[in-house]
Amino acid sequence: DTGVSQDPRHKITKRGQNVTFRCDPISEHNRLYWYRQTLGQGPEFLTYFQNEAQLEKSRLLSDRFSAERPKGSFSTLEIQRTEQGDSAMYLCASNGGMYNSPLHFGNGTRLTVT
Amino acid sequence: DAKTTQPNSMESNEEEPVHLPCNHSTISGTDYIHWYRQLPSQGPEYVIHGLTSNVNNRMASLAIAEDRKSSTLILHRATLRDAAVYYCILSDSNQAGTALIFGKGTTLSVSS
Repeated sequence: DTGVSQDPRHKITKRGQNVTFRCDPISEHNRLYWYRQTLGQGPEFLTYFQNEAQLEKSRLLSDRFSAERPKGSFSTLEIQRTEQGDSAMYLCASNGGMYNSPLHFGNGTRLTVT
Repeated sequence: DAKTTQPNSMESNEEEPVHLPCNHSTISGTDYIHWYRQLPSQGPEYVIHGLTSNVNNRMASLAIAEDRKSSTLILHRATLRDAAVYYCILSDSNQAGTALIFGKGTTLSVSS
C-alpha cells in the first residue's frame, strides 16, 4: 500500500492556460473522489467515480473542469482556461469495500494561477 | 446532508487529554459519524468513525451521546504532532458512495 499519489505537487500557470492533474489511488480501491480546498476552508467535494463511471458531480464543477478515470485506475482532472479563482489545493481520495470505509487522501496538487 | 457544528479552535497542553466536541442535532438513524484530521500541508487523514456505540482505535476514542445528537473525539494524550484541523462529518450509510462533505473543522493547538 503506497497510498494515494498525486502529481504534480505544485503547479503555477498563467490565467487562460489549461492544466491537468493526475491521481493514482490505492490499487484495490474502486471509488475515487476529487476535492478542492482553499485557504482556511475545509475540502469541497468536486466529483466522484466508481470504477470508470463518473457518478456524481458538484455544482462547483463548472464546464471548464473535466475529470476522467478511463480504465478505472488513475484519474485526471483538467481545468481549461484557468482563472485566478481556480487557485487552490486539489485533493484526491479513494476507498473501496463498504460504502462507509475510510477515505485515503493524497497530499494534493497546489495550483497557483497568476 | 446533515450538518455538524464544531468550535472553531481549541487549545491543549502536551500529554493532556483533549476532548473535541461535535453537535449534530439533525442526525438520522443511518448517519455514520466520521472524524478526519488534517495536518499542515497534508491531505486529510482518517481518525475514527462510528454509528451508535463508542469506538476506540490506536489514534483516538469516539464517544457518541445516547441520543446521537452529539459526539466527542478523545485524544488520550495530546502530542505536538496532534496539532491539526479536526473535522466531524456525517454520512448516510444508505446512500452508496456518498462523498463526505467537510465543514471548517476545529483547529487544535498543542503547547509544550
